[in-house]
Amino acid sequence: DAGVIQSPRHEVTEMGQEVTLRCKPISGHDYLFWYRQTMMRGLELLIYFNNNVPIDDSGMPEDRFSAKMPNASFSTLKIQPSEPRDSAVYFCASSWKGGVYEQYFGPGTRLTVT
Amino acid sequence: EDQVTQSPEALRLQEGESSSLNCSYTVSGLRGLFWYRQDPGKGPEFLFTLYSAGEEKEKERLKATLTKKESFLHITAPKPEDSATYLCAVQAGGSGGGADGLTFGKGTHLIIQP
Repeated sequence: DAGVIQSPRHEVTEMGQEVTLRCKPISGHDYLFWYRQTMMRGLELLIYFNNNVPIDDSGMPEDRFSAKMPNASFSTLKIQPSEPRDSAVYFCASSWKGGVYEQYFGPGTRLTVT
Repeated sequence: EDQVTQSPEALRLQEGESSSLNCSYTVSGLRGLFWYRQDPGKGPEFLFTLYSAGEEKEKERLKATLTKKESFLHITAPKPEDSATYLCAVQAGGSGGGADGLTFGKGTHLIIQP
């Protein structure tokens, strides 16, 4: 299996622009998670889906952030408009089930907003 | 709110010098405690899941243990390739990180010198 796939790997954009991050989970996994990692705050859960349905988005920092999962093999995280404080590494992870099943992480997208 | 604190923040060891990393946690109903390894520029890589106090798991030079308040990652006779950031995460039944999302500590940056 190719593992969790994320694109792009690096994104540099200017403040105010729209940014879309993409994720393809491991085939057969029912759960998909979006995390953000910064030096100050570490890894933080943003939102997660079960069977393509958003379950908990309480970690989404504000209305500028939105996430969708139109089918079992694709998810997007969109930031509009982007701000410098959004600069971070964004990880997508997937797992076979919810509960205490290990989550497998993608390589991440490093976002820089200037 | 669920909390995970890892110590030390950084640790430098000589090759072959054994040590332990600590993960203290406060959660409302622990369902599982996870250890991940993260190499620079990569996503976290799953190592262990521990479910209940007294449980231990081993993999090569690593052994993870769990009590009601903390977990330890013991590293025996480490090699330079064990250098990485080690992350601890908890999955709780409460609302802190979502029923299925993980709450992460900030990690211990481990360097093994030859």
